[in-house]
Amino acid sequence: AQKVTQAQTEISVVEKEDVTLDCVYETRDTTYYLFWYKQPPSGELVFLIRRNSFDEQNEISGRYSWNFQKSTSSFNFTITASQVVDSAVYFCALSLNNAGNMLTFGGGTRLMVKP
Amino acid sequence: GAGVSQSPSNKVTEKGKDVELRCDPISGHTALYWYRQSLGQGLEFLIYFQGNSAPDKSGLPSDRFSAERTGGSVSTLTIQRTQQEDSAVYLCASRIQGAAVEQYFGPGTRLTVT
Repeated sequence: AQKVTQAQTEISVVEKEDVTLDCVYETRDTTYYLFWYKQPPSGELVFLIRRNSFDEQNEISGRYSWNFQKSTSSFNFTITASQVVDSAVYFCALSLNNAGNMLTFGGGTRLMVKP
Repeated sequence: GAGVSQSPSNKVTEKGKDVELRCDPISGHTALYWYRQSLGQGLEFLIYFQGNSAPDKSGLPSDRFSAERTGGSVSTLTIQRTQQEDSAVYLCASRIQGAAVEQYFGPGTRLTVT
């Protein structure tokens, strides 16, 4: 069975600091997908990024960047120059390349960015 | 375009009553999922529909839970004889068939069983 672990339950930073959210996953499958979702106080899960297991290229989107390392089974998320609007719960998730692609979520990391 | 919609946004019910939660997926999305988010269990998969295939019910916690999807679009999640441990936010997600496997979520229904 697959598992996703987000060891950091809560992180507090001051605006403009950089912050990295950790995600470690477990699966025996060789083809899988990794995701990050953001859940702001409004409650709706917002899709941020998907990576395929066969593509280890890191990705940058504005202030967001993702570091995927199969050797350590990690898919970490960095926010550069954090802003108050980044305050949310962030979930890392995994799905397998089967018929359903249902998501297995980590426990989430609550990020609080203080002005 | 319109996202996934869910109704009601909040539902308070008495223990033992039945409830129905509704999900309207993004137009053109053939796959539909229900998840549950609770304090103790985090985010859990419940059930998955794909087109006209039989649903994957492997995540349903008990036989009090059932779901259907009519006409390949709207889905209803039904909980019979609700218990206090059913209190949670029920999230619906949909995705398009094919290589794009990311799921798009609705705002959820917060269910409180008193």
